[in-house]
Amino acid sequence: KAGVTQTPRYLIKTRGQQVTLSCSPISGHRSVSWYQQTPGQGLQFLFEYFSETQRNKGNFPGRFSGRQFSNSRSEMNVSTLELGDSALYLCATSKGPNQPQHFGDGTRLSIL
Amino acid sequence: GESVGLHLPTLSVQEGDNSIINCAYSNSASDYFIWYKQESGKGPQFIIDIRSNMDKRQGQRVTVLLNKTVKHLSLQIAATQPGDSAVYFCAENYDKFYFGSGTKLNVKP
Repeated sequence: KAGVTQTPRYLIKTRGQQVTLSCSPISGHRSVSWYQQTPGQGLQFLFEYFSETQRNKGNFPGRFSGRQFSNSRSEMNVSTLELGDSALYLCATSKGPNQPQHFGDGTRLSIL
Repeated sequence: GESVGLHLPTLSVQEGDNSIINCAYSNSASDYFIWYKQESGKGPQFIIDIRSNMDKRQGQRVTVLLNKTVKHLSLQIAATQPGDSAVYFCAENYDKFYFGSGTKLNVKP
């Protein structure tokens, strides 16, 4: 079956802009988690959605937000982009909390 | 200035040898653990998992060992192949997943 799909794969933005990233989960998966991966910080948890509700949130500023739709697809939004937001943004999905989590290949966001 | 990346420990092994990658986890209440493999330009790939009521689990060419007493997790890869070269992460779950910084496995042909 199809894996986790993230779009777009690559994105270039400038400071101050905003961006929306999309994640389509594996069929049957209702939990979606978002992570930021950078060389300096490794994998950092952003937030987790389950059945359209935010279940957990990491220590990121309010510029980072997300949502989940009734079909379990999720989006994350970053507003007022900063240079430090340049990273690989990864989405991982599972059937539910504390279940095997599978990742997409990420969106590489570059801020100029 | 230039950002400083995480210093990933590197394990170099000869093709055909067995590899052991170690991970210390932080929360004694963590009850579920996953090993991931990440190749350049790709997302982490699920390898094997283990729940805290077990101390060993085997997959195809891989074995995960869990020692709850010392909060230690290891991944053993049998007959390591060049295609196993990647960064390996452990993840522990306590309400949400927490990831280690990773170990780079370099397989020499």
